[in-house]
This record gives sequence, structure tokens and C-alpha cells, in this order.
Amino acid sequence: TQLLEQSPQFLSIQEGENLTVYCNSSSVFSSLQWYRQEPGEGPVLLVTVVTGGEVKKLKRLTFQFGDARKDSSLHITAAQPGDTGLYLCAGASGSNYKLTFGKGTLLTVNP
Amino acid sequence: DAGVIQSPRHEVTEMGQEVTLRCKPISGHDYLFWYRQTMMRGLELLIYFNNNVPIDDSGMPEDRFSAKMPNASFSTLKIQPSEPRDSAVYFCASSPYPGLAGGTYEQYFGPGTRLTVT
Repeated sequence: TQLLEQSPQFLSIQEGENLTVYCNSSSVFSSLQWYRQEPGEGPVLLVTVVTGGEVKKLKRLTFQFGDARKDSSLHITAAQPGDTGLYLCAGASGSNYKLTFGKGTLLTVNP
Repeated sequence: DAGVIQSPRHEVTEMGQEVTLRCKPISGHDYLFWYRQTMMRGLELLIYFNNNVPIDDSGMPEDRFSAKMPNASFSTLKIQPSEPRDSAVYFCASSPYPGLAGGTYEQYFGPGTRLTVT
């Protein structure tokens, strides 16, 4: 069974601070996705990373896929209250269309 | 496009009752997924369909759960009989075919159905 461990589980910071959350596994994934989920809604895809070592930027969010394709990180610069939500990573293996989700990091950005 | 539509948004029922959750995927998407989310276990895949055919139901917890997709625009997840431990948020998601080039795919989630079994 492939597992994705996310850390920290909870994170509460002040507006303007920087933060990094992590997604780790002992398994290799062909691609890894990050989703953000707001209360009462379904997860929304932020980014997909495919190549080991790949870095993608989405405005103030920077996503990195580990060289061995077993781990990933999400860095947010100058966090804003609108960044508040549950951040989920999900890994895919080969041509299997199943995603394995981590339990998420619940981020709260206080104004 | 309206996105993935789920109904009802909230369902409260008594133990032993039958519960039916409904999903309308995004038009043109070939894949449909049913997930369950709880604080303890996170987001778990229950079953997924490709072109209306169930491909993998290994995540369905037990025989009380069943899912159908009679056509490309409708799917149901049924729990009979329901138990308090089934209380969770149930999500439906759909995904387009990623293409022959082996591209990545995106899953589009509905707003979920919050089920409470008392």
C-alpha cells in the first residue's frame, strides 16, 4: 500500500509569513498533485509535477518534486488569509488512474 | 460548464436506513471517482469507473456499499443498511482521458455530500 505522509498536520501563521509544507513517501510516483480544499467544498487542483527535481511556481506558491519522485514540498511566500485551507498532496503510479491522497496540512493564515 | 454536481449536499438518516448519493460528472469526462473523507482516515478512494464501467472497487468498505453508473452523466453510491460509522463527507470527482501521450490528468471534485447517520 502506498502511503503519503504530510507534515505538519496543522499550521497557524500570521499574514505575511512564509511557510513550507511537506509530502513524503517511501514509494515512487509517476506524478504528484497538490490540491487545496476550503471548508464545505471539494478539493481543487493547484498543480501537477511529473519530472524528478521539477519546480513549478504559481504566483506566491512554489512546488517541488523530489529527485527520486518520492516526496514533494509546497512553499508559500508572504501568506495571505485567502491561502487558508486544507492542502492535500496526491500521488499517481504509472498508468493507474487511482490517486493516493495524504491526510493534508490544515493551514490557517491570521490577518 | 457547471462542474461536478452532487446531491444531496447534506443527508441525515437513522441507522439501518438506505442512503443514495447522486453525482453528475462533467460532460465529456471518461472517469468518475467516489471518495469518502473523514478526519481520521483522510480522503479514501472507494470506487472508480471508466466509460461507465467499474474498474476498481477495492476501496468499497463492505457489501453494504454499492455504486452504479447507468450512463455517462449519472452515478449513484448506495449504502444499505447505513451505520453511524458511515458518517463522512462523500465526494464524487470526474476526470478527462489524459491522452495517448501519457499526459497527466486532473480530477475535478464536486462539493460533496455530508452524511450523518444517527
